[in-house]
Amino acid sequence: SYVLTQPPSVSVAPGKTARITCGGNNIGSKSVHWYQQKPGQAPVLVVYDDSDRPSGIPERFSGSNSGNTATLTISRVEAGDEADYYCQVWDSSSDPVVFGTGTKVTVL
Amino acid sequence: QVQLVQSGAEVKKPGASVKVSCKVSGYTLTELSMHWVRQAPGKGLEWMGGFDPEDGETIYAQKFQGRVTMTEDTSTDTAYMELSSLRSEDTAVYYCARRGSSDAFDIWGQGTMVTVSS
Repeated sequence: SYVLTQPPSVSVAPGKTARITCGGNNIGSKSVHWYQQKPGQAPVLVVYDDSDRPSGIPERFSGSNSGNTATLTISRVEAGDEADYYCQVWDSSSDPVVFGTGTKVTVL
Repeated sequence: QVQLVQSGAEVKKPGASVKVSCKVSGYTLTELSMHWVRQAPGKGLEWMGGFDPEDGETIYAQKFQGRVTMTEDTSTDTAYMELSSLRSEDTAVYYCARRGSSDAFDIWGQGTMVTVSS
């Protein structure tokens, strides 16, 4: 089955840029979606189709995808961005929905 | 706008079954592709299954095949997820989520905590 690997944690100072990677075999050929999950809350979609943002999501959230790595970038990080982030793709294997291992973003 | 409202927390004994509901408002259930995702305490997101509109079938993750059943009541716009033969490892928050036009899960229910304990 398809595997998506994320770093367990990323730390960033307020106002700086956080980059969260999502590694997978030839992930550049797939559409990647990103979710933000704050403690005790349901996940929220922040980027879909590699780089599009749902309405209401700040422009500070952006995404890219190429080769074997997709990246979620959070610019001008704020304290409220502290959360777990998950990437997700659809795969042609028997389990078509795959989530990444998740990354905890800590704002210093 | 679409809202998904789930049933309340459950406590079950090992070997029992649990049925979680997900009420849709703002849309009719037939217009949605509903999926279920769970999250064990301190762990990541795990897809369980959902409706595939391309072939009109419900697809289940291999891990849950034979133990999970996802159904829909279109008269009440409510989706259900039933998990049987519960064990302690099934203790988790269970979410329903809409698969949107971009194939991302764009709307989520608030989650239902299921605790399996003797």
